[in-house]
Amino acid sequence: DAGVIQSPRHEVTEMGQEVTLRCKPISGHDYLFWYRQTMMRGLELLIYFNNNVPIDDSGMPEDRFSAKMPNASFSTLKIQPSEPRDSAVYFCASSFGLAGVEQFFGPGTRLTVL
Amino acid sequence: SQQGEEDPQALSIQEGENATMNCSYKTSINNLQWYRQNSGRGLVHLILIRSNEREKHSGRLRVTLDTSKKSSSLLITASRAADTASYFCATAQTGANNLFFGTGTRLTVIP
Repeated sequence: DAGVIQSPRHEVTEMGQEVTLRCKPISGHDYLFWYRQTMMRGLELLIYFNNNVPIDDSGMPEDRFSAKMPNASFSTLKIQPSEPRDSAVYFCASSFGLAGVEQFFGPGTRLTVL
Repeated sequence: SQQGEEDPQALSIQEGENATMNCSYKTSINNLQWYRQNSGRGLVHLILIRSNEREKHSGRLRVTLDTSKKSSSLLITASRAADTASYFCATAQTGANNLFFGTGTRLTVIP
């Protein structure tokens, strides 16, 4: 298996633009997590899904952020409109069976909003 | 905060020395995990210790867990330059369906 796949790896955009980050979890995994990592705030859980259903989105910072999982092999995290403070590395992770077991992380998307 | 806290925040040692990192947490847990993050990469799972376990080994890694003190330690023996990375503890808290990650320890191993 190729592991968790994220695209793009780097994204530079201007304030106000829409940004869409993509994730393909490991086949067979039923949990998918979106995290954001910054120097100031560390690793923050934004939202997670179980069997494509959003379970907890309490970490989503604002209404500008939205996430979807239309099927078991694809998820998106969208920011509209983007702001400079959204600059961070966004990670997707997946796991199987229970959320409290080992999570497999993707390589991340480094987002820079100018 | 539900996050764990690692101590120290940064650690610099010579190659061949042992490195010890500590993690403290606040709530009841089902298990505690340690992850490594190399610069510019995603987190990689290292080891998981269940709440009813006190010590676990994996290669050069030794993890201890003291649930009475709500703390864990990660020992890396005979460190190598390739061990340079950030190390995070993560707790699977009782009643929660996700992991709570700590703030990380930045380890530098000097060749």
